[in-house]
Amino acid sequence: NAGVTQTPKFQVLKTGQSMTLQCAQDMNHEYMSWYRQDPGMGLRLIHYSVGAGITDQGEVPNGYNVSRSTTEDFPLRLLSAAPSQTSVYFCASSYGGVMGEKLFFGSGTQLSVL
Amino acid sequence: TQLLEQSPQFLSIQEGENLTVYCNSSSVFSSLQWYRQEPGEGPVLLVTVVTGGEVKKLKRLTFQFGDARKDSSLHITAAQPGDTGLYLCAGARGKLIFGQGTELSVKP
Repeated sequence: NAGVTQTPKFQVLKTGQSMTLQCAQDMNHEYMSWYRQDPGMGLRLIHYSVGAGITDQGEVPNGYNVSRSTTEDFPLRLLSAAPSQTSVYFCASSYGGVMGEKLFFGSGTQLSVL
Repeated sequence: TQLLEQSPQFLSIQEGENLTVYCNSSSVFSSLQWYRQEPGEGPVLLVTVVTGGEVKKLKRLTFQFGDARKDSSLHITAAQPGDTGLYLCAGARGKLIFGQGTELSVKP
């Protein structure tokens, strides 16, 4: 049972570099989302998607882009990495959507921007 | 400003003790979830409470949703080292909003 798969697990970038965090789910979930987790801040929503071709911004979208060309995949792009983007990133999916459905999380990507 | 405030942020107790974690807000939520997260992993859902005043039990864990649906609590009876982890509450209000988490350490 793969569930939600995130790659890579760890990444170090230099300021100004770009990269894509990958997220794939095999549960045929319509809803997918990206969160970042920082100490003492809980999980903050970056972007989300309610289905293929549809994306929307969360609480902290600046500096990140997303696209949803298939139901399975929801990559997160950092356009020009900054030290403030050092964080642990989680992808999550659910069957129904945003209103309290059970979220299934990946195991996270730990990103350091130097 | 955090919409959902969890307290305490850190808790270190001995095996066998009881504890309560609180999740408070001035806003009403349609439902509230509790997740548990272990190091290097993503959060895993423990329970969802939907009705004001609702109480749910999961073995030694008791979850309560406040009557006004603005707050919730998690009570653990006779804590064990396996309960160690980060406990997160999340309220549904259009989107799912997370509290900042409670780091629990249970020492043998």
